[in-house]
Amino acid sequence: EAAVTQSPRNKVTVTGGNVTLSCRQTNSHNYMYWYRQDTGHGLRLIHYSYGAGNLQIGDVPDGYKATRTTQEDFFLLLELASPSQTSLYFCASSAGTGGGRLFFGHGTKLSVL
Amino acid sequence: GQQVQQSPASLVLQEGENAELQCNFSTSLNSMQWFYQRPGGSLVSLFYNPSGTKHSGRLTSTTVIKERRSSLHISSSQTTDSGTYLCALEGDAGAKLTFGGGTRLTVRP
Repeated sequence: EAAVTQSPRNKVTVTGGNVTLSCRQTNSHNYMYWYRQDTGHGLRLIHYSYGAGNLQIGDVPDGYKATRTTQEDFFLLLELASPSQTSLYFCASSAGTGGGRLFFGHGTKLSVL
Repeated sequence: GQQVQQSPASLVLQEGENAELQCNFSTSLNSMQWFYQRPGGSLVSLFYNPSGTKHSGRLTSTTVIKERRSSLHISSSQTTDSGTYLCALEGDAGAKLTFGGGTRLTVRP
């Protein structure tokens, strides 16, 4: 079973603050993803990557940056956090296009006050 | 329009009853996945099913590409099956998955 670890599990920040969410996967998957989950909107893709140094824009990228530093590590950055970014964030990984199940981390609950 | 639609949005069963959850999609399909999520919890992969029928214990997933639908059948439901079931479509455009809105299942003892 693929292991995807997110940190922190919970985060509270103020409007305008900087936040970095971390994700590490240990199964050598090529693809990594950041999703946010909100009531009424379901799961929405923010950014994803197919390898170290690569970044692809998802469906709701505004206000977010991401960086894939290694095969294992994918970070989501909120440089000027806003209350609209209060959400449950999930990181996920998969082996690749058309060939892999998606494995999720436990999520990070972010509150922007 | 929404590419992936799930139905019903919510479902209440008595323990022992069967459930049929539907996922309809409007774009071409590369793969279809089903997930289970407890309230506030992570998502657990149930099936990776691009076509045909797959079984896992009391769960069965069937994807019919020509009809643009996938279903998840839960037999002899248990209270521990309660939670949200999500389907996710990978289209031809690549590795992006589009999620349906989910079906919230409640199984009463």
